[in-house]
Amino acid sequence: GAVVSQHPSWVICKSGTSVKIECRSLDFQATTMFWYRQFPKQSLMLMATSNEGSKATYEQGVEKDKFLINHASLTLSTLTVTSAHPEDSSFYICSATFPGQGNYGYTFGSGTRLTVV
Amino acid sequence: KQEVTQIPAALSVPEGENLVLNCSFTDSAIYNLQWFRQDPGKGLTSLLLIQSSQREQTSGRLNASLDKSSGRSTLYIAASQPGDSATYLCAVRHSGNQFYFGTGTSLTVIP
Repeated sequence: GAVVSQHPSWVICKSGTSVKIECRSLDFQATTMFWYRQFPKQSLMLMATSNEGSKATYEQGVEKDKFLINHASLTLSTLTVTSAHPEDSSFYICSATFPGQGNYGYTFGSGTRLTVV
Repeated sequence: KQEVTQIPAALSVPEGENLVLNCSFTDSAIYNLQWFRQDPGKGLTSLLLIQSSQREQTSGRLNASLDKSSGRSTLYIAASQPGDSATYLCAVRHSGNQFYFGTGTSLTVIP
């Protein structure tokens, strides 16, 4: 089945630094990837949608200059949290899809727990 | 804007009990509804997907129903086991790609 690998699974960084999270589709070509974040006791919220080779589309309220998304290939998308602050501490999860993936259509990564200190 | 609500927020039951988790959504023009399981600090595991034209789906001890007109879905878990302890999320999708997730029900099954 379709597998999405997300790395790292957890990261601790200092305030003001940048962190990169990778999302890879292992056995399929992901034409579209999605990035979600989940704050404690809240639901998963879509941050942005990226299509391979084009700029990401960000949801309202998500700063595109702070959360840089690159989807340069059909198997890799990256999310870079720039100048991270404690309020960016959250659980980030990606999902990927491709045309014809069937009813389930979307495969989720295992998530990244980001803690900014 | 679609809003998805799950009740209860938390549930604790003794092993062996049957239980029902509820999900409601405000916009009934959905493409499908999916139930996921999330273990602490982990990603999502898809459990069941119901297309908008379907009424229910079953997988093992799990049964999910969908009443699109009333904006409701239920997840029924039969003969609960401690390994079922997790957070259960429902999510609806419209014709686009975005999922709208509920806040989840945290289930604890006591041995």
